[in-house]
Parts: sequence; structure tokens; C-alpha cells
Amino acid sequence: DAGVTQSPTHLIKTRGQQVTLRCSPKSGHDTVSWYQQALGQGPQFIFQYYEEEERQRGNFPDRFSGHQFPNYSSELNVNALLLGDSALYLCASSLDPTLYGYTFGSGTRLTVV
Amino acid sequence: AQTVTQSQPEMSVQEAETVTLSCTYDTSENNYYLFWYKQPPSRQMILVIRQEAYKQQNATENRFSVNFQKAAKSFSLKISDSQLGDTAMYFCAFMNYGGSQGNLIFGKGTKLSVKP
Repeated sequence: DAGVTQSPTHLIKTRGQQVTLRCSPKSGHDTVSWYQQALGQGPQFIFQYYEEEERQRGNFPDRFSGHQFPNYSSELNVNALLLGDSALYLCASSLDPTLYGYTFGSGTRLTVV
Repeated sequence: AQTVTQSQPEMSVQEAETVTLSCTYDTSENNYYLFWYKQPPSRQMILVIRQEAYKQQNATENRFSVNFQKAAKSFSLKISDSQLGDTAMYFCAFMNYGGSQGNLIFGKGTKLSVKP
């Protein structure tokens, strides 16, 4: 049983560009959340998707947007990239976050130059 | 707003010994969930243990156990019989029961090194 799959694993973008990160949740999981982990820090919540709707959002600007597809896979889009957006982006999925916690992917390392 | 504090940036322990990682949190809620996650160099966050705030009994998973002190808002992780594979970053995390349910709030982590 595959866990959470994220692509790409590494990415280098230029300031001002746009980027799309992709996530396939663990089989059977319908809730997907995205986290940003800066170097040496704990992950910070970006947003959560359930049934193709954004259910919760953290303290991130509108440059960060997302989408969930009918098969529960998800995308994270970041527009107008800033140097400060360089981080590890983690996707996490769950059937019930309070009951089971989350299963995390290995992340996408985004470097903005 | 809830906050999670891990006061030990780095710790080390000899193989086969016991180590305790500290975590405190701040919340005005009565019902919530607490987690410990492990992040090895592979970057994938792995759930170590989960505690429900309304349960007084401390959670245990094999060599991992917690000391949950609700009044003190403390949630420490004890690793017994430490193994080289336990070397990783350990993150304490908080999740609300309702409202912002499902949103994990993480501490800054503790880097644990297990030495042979």
C-alpha cells in the first residue's frame, strides 16, 4: 500500500515565478493538508482540503492556493515566488485526523533563487 | 492561539539507554489531541504516538511512552532502549478537538542523536 506520494522531490524556481506541487494521498484517505517547513523549524499549516473544498486555512497569503480533485489528490500552487518561500512542502493525508493523525509524504524541497 | 514549545533543541543518548524529550503547550481548550512525530533524514514525518486529552491514561507504543500532565500542559516523550534508528528530529504537535479540527500545530523540534 503506497503512502503519501509527492512530486517533484526537488525544485528550483526563480523569484517571481509560479510553482505547482502535487500530492497523492494514501489509499482511502479523503482529507489532505499542506504544510510549509522552513529550515530548522517545525511545519506550519497552510490549508486543508476535504471533499474538494478548502476547509481550513492557516496564516498564509493568497499567493498560496490549492485544489483537491475527485480522486482526493491535491495540488499546491504558489504565485509570485519570494526568496522566503524556499522550504520543504509537506503533504499529509488522513481518513480522520483526530482519530488517526496524519500520514505524511516525504515532501518537495523548493528553492527560490 | 495555541502554541507548542520544545525547550531542548538537541539531545543525545547512548544506545540502549532511556531519554525523555520535553514539550509544553498552551491552550484554553479542554478537549484536544497531542502527537509526537519523528522526522528522520528521509524527511518523512512518522507518527510515533497519539494522546487524547480526555484520557488520563498515558499512551504507550512499544518503546515509546508519554507523560501527559494536563494541568501543567506538559506532554513529554520517553524512549526506552534507544536504538540507532531513533536518531531523528522529534516534533510535538497539538490538534484541536473542534473548530479548527484537523489542523496540527507543531513545536520547533528536538534533534535526537543516538550514539553507539
